[in-house]
Amino acid sequence: DTAVSQTPKYLVTQMGNDKSIKCEQNLGHDTMYWYKQDSKKFLKIMFSYNNKELIINETVPNRFSPKSPDKAHLNLHINSLELGDSAVYFCASSPRAGSGGFTDTQYFGPGTRLTVL
Amino acid sequence: ILNVEQSPQSLHVQEGDSTNFTCSFPSSNFYALHWYRWETAKSPEALFVMTLNGDEKKKGRISATLNTKEGYSYLYIKGSQPEDSATYLCALHTGGFKTIFGAGTRLFVKA
Repeated sequence: DTAVSQTPKYLVTQMGNDKSIKCEQNLGHDTMYWYKQDSKKFLKIMFSYNNKELIINETVPNRFSPKSPDKAHLNLHINSLELGDSAVYFCASSPRAGSGGFTDTQYFGPGTRLTVL
Repeated sequence: ILNVEQSPQSLHVQEGDSTNFTCSFPSSNFYALHWYRWETAKSPEALFVMTLNGDEKKKGRISATLNTKEGYSYLYIKGSQPEDSATYLCALHTGGFKTIFGAGTRLFVKA
């Protein structure tokens, strides 16, 4: 069974479109994350939710909106896609957030490669 | 702004060579240091989590050490094999909600 799954794996779309990426974890973790792998291969945190509550909201364009319907799911919706949004987006989860979870490993999904034409 | 630096950016070694690389972090904000292994076309997977100054962890031919006073961790691979080829990421947990990842060291092991 896949621990952290993302769909779709590849997404090719035109500039200006709106798209969503879905993430699900079956590990029973409280905390989920979205990362963007930038052009220099850095993993940059975008958002994090703990028990459906937003706890990290980095400086990303407000065209990006996360939604967590329950603690096993964290979806990422992107409006008005731009060329610069092309990247690989990784979802991750960990048991706990903050100082209570500093030894907790993050479990990553397989990534979604978004290409905006 | 907290920065986690890894060096070198990339490393090419021959099969059988032993190698090591460095993760540097600000020592004032330390809770834990995580190492991940990231193979191409896969997702990062955990190797070690280290919390105490002087910690040493080992998994097979891979080991890591931690110096929280001076803010660095070393990852060692003994007798590198082609299957060790991957990007090795370190990540600093500062006690807040965010884990700060380094850019990684990309290891290429030639048979």
